[in-house]
Amino acid sequence: DAMVIQNPRYQVTQFGKPVTLSCSQTLNHNVMYWYQQKSSQAPKLLFHYYDKDFNNEADTPDNFQSRRPNTSFCFLDIRSPGLGDAAMYLCATSLDRAETQYFGPGTRLLVL
Amino acid sequence: EDQVTQSPEALRLQEGESSSLNCSYTVSGLRGLFWYRQDPGKGPEFLFTLYSAGEEKEKERLKATLTKKESFLHITAPKPEDSATYLCAVRPLGNAGGTSYGKLTFGQGTILTVHP
Repeated sequence: DAMVIQNPRYQVTQFGKPVTLSCSQTLNHNVMYWYQQKSSQAPKLLFHYYDKDFNNEADTPDNFQSRRPNTSFCFLDIRSPGLGDAAMYLCATSLDRAETQYFGPGTRLLVL
Repeated sequence: EDQVTQSPEALRLQEGESSSLNCSYTVSGLRGLFWYRQDPGKGPEFLFTLYSAGEEKEKERLKATLTKKESFLHITAPKPEDSATYLCAVRPLGNAGGTSYGKLTFGQGTILTVHP
């Protein structure tokens, strides 16, 4: 089945230690998104790639970076995680920017 | 600014007790309204897209409706497995050349618990 895959599902890191989260998709969608979701809150868009074009949200901290080396993969890099970055990180894809977004299972990040 | 408000924040039902969840929205022209289901510790699962007032969509015990100001998710004879957080999101009409084109604005969600 076509799907959005996120690895790892759970990630524990230390304060200030860089961490990379991975997302892959078999849907062949052009757009890939990264969201941050904290407990009992709505998902918050961090950035998205429309094909190779990177679009950063204005309020996304510089601590968060992303890479999309090819159509299928997208990475979220957190350069120096703080305690406030502990959250669920959701990857989503859509065929085009005006199409339905399909989410992966998420990566739960814990910062010690 | 686009806004989405969901009510109630939490809803507890007995199995078989039908009810509705509300999603009120303010948007400068609606391109689409989306309903997602999210189980604890998992990503949102797509349920429905509604595009224009009067539109209705159904899936098993769920029925989504849309007016110009709000959407309802009706749950008929719910079962315990329907327990989840239900998220509503809106996508405004926008400039296809703009960087925010296609962006979703989510509500806070309604936590539904169905007791056997």
